[in-house]
Amino acid sequence: SYVLTQPPSLSVAPGKTARITCGGTNIGGKNVHWYQQKPGQAPLLVISRDSDRPSGVPERFSGSNSGNTATLTITGVEAGDEADFYCQVWDAATDHQVFGGGTKLTVL
Amino acid sequence: QITLKESGPSLVKPTQTLTLTCSFSGFSLYTSGVAVGWIRQPPGKALEWLALIYWDDDKRYNPSLKGRLIVAKDTSKDQVVLTVTNMDPVDTATYYCARYSGYSGSPFDHWGQGTLVTVSS
Repeated sequence: SYVLTQPPSLSVAPGKTARITCGGTNIGGKNVHWYQQKPGQAPLLVISRDSDRPSGVPERFSGSNSGNTATLTITGVEAGDEADFYCQVWDAATDHQVFGGGTKLTVL
Repeated sequence: QITLKESGPSLVKPTQTLTLTCSFSGFSLYTSGVAVGWIRQPPGKALEWLALIYWDDDKRYNPSLKGRLIVAKDTSKDQVVLTVTNMDPVDTATYYCARYSGYSGSPFDHWGQGTLVTVSS
């Protein structure tokens, strides 16, 4: 089965740039989606299809995908961005959905 | 406005069958390409995809649950039901339903608030 690998944690100072990675074999050929989950809340879609930003998501959130790594980038990190972030893809080989293990973003 | 809401028991005993209902509004499973998925999250752990049911009644299941899942829809009621058999304490989790916004490769673009299910005798 297809596996997505994320770093368990990332710490960033306010105002700096956070880059959260999602690794998978030839992930560049798949559509990658990113979700933000704050404590006690349901996940929220923040990036779809590698780099599309849903309505209402700040422009500080962006995404890229190439080769074996997809990246969610948050510029000008704010305290309110502190959350768990998950990547997700559809694996065409099995026709199943796959989530990464999640990255906990801490704003210092 | 699209909303989804999960309902069902908060506590089940080991070996029992769990039945959860997802009631939604703002979209319809009569619409081509639309689907509803189920995702769960054990306390302090990652999201795990469980099942997906499409507008045309096509279904997909996470094979790791080894045939314990059944998903069904009642399109006229705007509801989707998930059944999980032979529940075990490791199935303790918050269960979410979410809209799958299109054909294969789409995201889960709207989520319910989730419902916590505890498995304990």
